[in-house]
Amino acid sequence: EPEVTQTPSHQVTQMGQEVILRCVPISNHLYFYWYRQILGQKVEFLVSFYNNEISEKSEIFDDQFSVERPDGSNFTLKIRSTKLEDSAMYFCASRGGDSPNYGYTFGSGTRLTVV
Amino acid sequence: AQTVTQSQPEMSVQEAETVTLSCTYDTSENNYYLFWYKQPPSRQMILVIRQEAYKQQNATENRFSVNFQKAAKSFSLKISDSQLGDTAMYFCALPSRDMRFGAGTRLTVKP
Repeated sequence: EPEVTQTPSHQVTQMGQEVILRCVPISNHLYFYWYRQILGQKVEFLVSFYNNEISEKSEIFDDQFSVERPDGSNFTLKIRSTKLEDSAMYFCASRGGDSPNYGYTFGSGTRLTVV
Repeated sequence: AQTVTQSQPEMSVQEAETVTLSCTYDTSENNYYLFWYKQPPSRQMILVIRQEAYKQQNATENRFSVNFQKAAKSFSLKISDSQLGDTAMYFCALPSRDMRFGAGTRLTVKP
């Protein structure tokens, strides 16, 4: 079954450093997402991406965050200057159909720890 | 505004018994889907079951079934013959422009 692949599975970084979280969505999917889950809390929407541009973003997704699809397969989330409160699980998801009613396929997540 | 509410932060059930997790939602859409996702300790998000709002028949996937009441905007998940591997966080989700998740219910299956 097709999978969404995220790397690394765990990243530890110093506060103030830049991190790039990588995702390879399912190959024929067109809509891509990043979600965040702080430990013990709910899953929060960060950003959606379609047709090489951001289609929606939440208030969490401030100027410190950016997304890119640098080639035909990767979808990255960059945090420019990490803060302690950025420590969380970051999930990438993709879907193929036009309607949000298609189920999203999630990656296994990247656990980001900012120290 | 689309909202999803899970009012049970934690639940537990004995192995082999049945448990029901509650979810209510609000949406202005007429046709929509609802989802239950499972998040085991590995933290991966796994789709458990989906329900189409225009279908009256409740969805079933093996030991998992839903009780969907459209008028009441209620979408509960029933797990029959609970297994230790069912221990996880369970999230109810409603697609809008993005996927809106409830706060989750932590389910523990006890041996």
